[in-house]
Amino acid sequence: QVQLVESGGGVVQPGRSLRLSCAASGFTFSDYVIHWVRQAPGKGLEWVAIVSYDGSNKYSADSVRGRFTISRDNSNNTLYLQMNSLRTEDTAVYYCARGRCSSSSCWAPYQHYYMDVWGKGTSVTVSS
Amino acid sequence: QSVLTQPPSVSGAPGQRVTISCTGSSSNIGAGYDVHWYQQFTGTAPKLLIYGSNNRPSGVPDRFSGSKSGTSASLAITGLQAEDEADYYCQSYDNSLSGYVFGTGTKVTVL
Repeated sequence: QVQLVESGGGVVQPGRSLRLSCAASGFTFSDYVIHWVRQAPGKGLEWVAIVSYDGSNKYSADSVRGRFTISRDNSNNTLYLQMNSLRTEDTAVYYCARGRCSSSSCWAPYQHYYMDVWGKGTSVTVSS
Repeated sequence: QSVLTQPPSVSGAPGQRVTISCTGSSSNIGAGYDVHWYQQFTGTAPKLLIYGSNNRPSGVPDRFSGSKSGTSASLAITGLQAEDEADYYCQSYDNSLSGYVFGTGTKVTVL
């Protein structure tokens, strides 16, 4: 069945780095854009980043731009989130989510996508 | 801080109809971007409930419906059931932020 499985979370000190992975199965990975979304403890959802079908286009939220990098390896059906210079406010559960277009404008900068399949998430705690 | 505002909570008795509002602005919903809705039970991942403002994915009961007008959108749940107790989030795109935005979230309680 269609599935996304995140991994790589853990406890890390402020200023350090961490790389999250998201393994996809049950669908043609390269046919979809993919999002990262996070949720801080007890808080709402926050969009983090999106990557295009072939990985050539990437967009991210102001809160992580310059620190986090989204990428993908279509040969291994895997999405990544490289997180550098981590801050305590980056503490959250990180979800990867498959993106689908809801309009006829389905090209960069990918403004018309929703999240139709979600992984279970991986927890990241930034603490000294 | 989210640019899409939802009421923190709504409640209703079983069988009743409840609505959740999602108020945006001219740079997101008012700019013509679709609104999508997600349901999240405590401790689990969000699940897509409504896409393209008023479309239900396969498997979502027709008790759930969405609408959009101007700078706002709404999710309606008719025939409220105990299993509908969850958090609900709207989502759209904001062209001034150049990114996707979620609503503040609404907790639905079945009395």
